[in-house]
Amino acid sequence: DAGVIQSPRHEVTEMGQEVTLRCKPISGHNSLFWYRQTMMRGLELLIYFNNNVPIDDSGMPEDRFSAKMPNASFSTLKIQPSEPRDSAVYFCASSNRDRGRGYTFGSGTRLTVV
Amino acid sequence: AQSVTQLGSHVSVSEGALVLLRCNYSSSVPPYLFWYVQYPNQGLQLLLKYTSAATLVKGINGFEAEFKKSETSFHLTKPSAHMSDAAEYFCAVSDRDTDKLIFGTGTRLQVFP
Repeated sequence: DAGVIQSPRHEVTEMGQEVTLRCKPISGHNSLFWYRQTMMRGLELLIYFNNNVPIDDSGMPEDRFSAKMPNASFSTLKIQPSEPRDSAVYFCASSNRDRGRGYTFGSGTRLTVV
Repeated sequence: AQSVTQLGSHVSVSEGALVLLRCNYSSSVPPYLFWYVQYPNQGLQLLLKYTSAATLVKGINGFEAEFKKSETSFHLTKPSAHMSDAAEYFCAVSDRDTDKLIFGTGTRLQVFP
């Protein structure tokens, strides 16, 4: 099992540009989560999906952020337009609540907006 | 709403000493509880989880945690610290009706020789 795969590992972009982060969950997992980690705010849950359907997006900071899960094996988190305060590490995680909830995290995408 | 509180943002121990990282939870229903470890510039790795089986849970790397309902606690312990244990540790809670995993603010563990 390759685990949760995130891409890119690092992203540097200019303010105002669109940024797309990608995640491939573990096969067979039916829940997917996007987290943001910063020194100031720690680990924040942005949104989570169950069976490809967004269940709770209350953590999405503002309309500039959007997330999709078109199928069970792929999700994207998009920021448009990006701002310097969006700089953070973004983690994707997946789990299967019917199999003991083994939340598995990807290695993260370190986003820097200059 | 569910939450976890980690007491102490930094803990320092000597190599070979007991490690105790504290976590208290708030939940209106019996929760699932987790401890994760994060090494510098890496993702989060599951150490152990409580899902209502035995209250004493053993995890990887010699860590264990005990679920105490009366104290609403899930403290993480290790009898003898090793230099390689230096990392940030996160306690997290999830309820039985949803999948939401909510993290505490983390405790950075330093181990001195």
